[in-house]
Amino acid sequence: GAVVSQHPSRVICKSGTSVKIECRSLDFQATTMFWYRQFPKQSLMLMATSNEGSKATYEQGVEKDKFLINHASLTLSTLTVTSAHPEDSSFYICSARDAGRMREQYFGPGTRLTVT
Amino acid sequence: AQKVTQAQTEISVVEKEDVTLDCVYETRDTTYYLFWYKQPPSGELVFLIRRNSFDEQNEISGRYSWNFQKSTSSFNFTITASQVVDSAVYFCALSEANTGTASKLTFGTGTRLQVTL
Repeated sequence: GAVVSQHPSRVICKSGTSVKIECRSLDFQATTMFWYRQFPKQSLMLMATSNEGSKATYEQGVEKDKFLINHASLTLSTLTVTSAHPEDSSFYICSARDAGRMREQYFGPGTRLTVT
Repeated sequence: AQKVTQAQTEISVVEKEDVTLDCVYETRDTTYYLFWYKQPPSGELVFLIRRNSFDEQNEISGRYSWNFQKSTSSFNFTITASQVVDSAVYFCALSEANTGTASKLTFGTGTRLQVTL
């Protein structure tokens, strides 16, 4: 149990286009999901906290208009990178917090975004 | 502000050697959680352990063991008799423990472990 999926696993897009990444909790409900970003050989940096039915909370320095987050259901959060640029190329990882188990947070497999 | 320091950027050992990965943390919270994750080349984070700040007992799970010392704000991870499959990046992480709120994870910079034959 406690599986989190991400789609797509890899995506290549052209500069200026937008790309949507989905994060799904497959066998549990997640009132809260987190979005992290990891540059090559670096640590994971929290971008935003996504709460079901409300606006996401962004970390300092993360552009809200560029990284649109929607958490429309208890099992799905999406991250849309708008007007992508090569510097947005990164590994994006989501995690989902199980609403039924305090503190349990499960990570998705990640999405590798390459902007050309 | 919370901070996690993993001073060892890369470690290389020969198979069957023991290796300890260091983790030092900073937090103003009296209640918090500490984690270790493994990230193999595939990129997916593998959960290894969670420890709350009130539980200073050391833990052993197979070849893995963890030493939590609140006095030195350290949560070190030891792999006994390392194997090639242990090669990965290991992250130490810290989260607040406020009830009723989501717990953000603060990650260390990671230690890349290379185990060779």
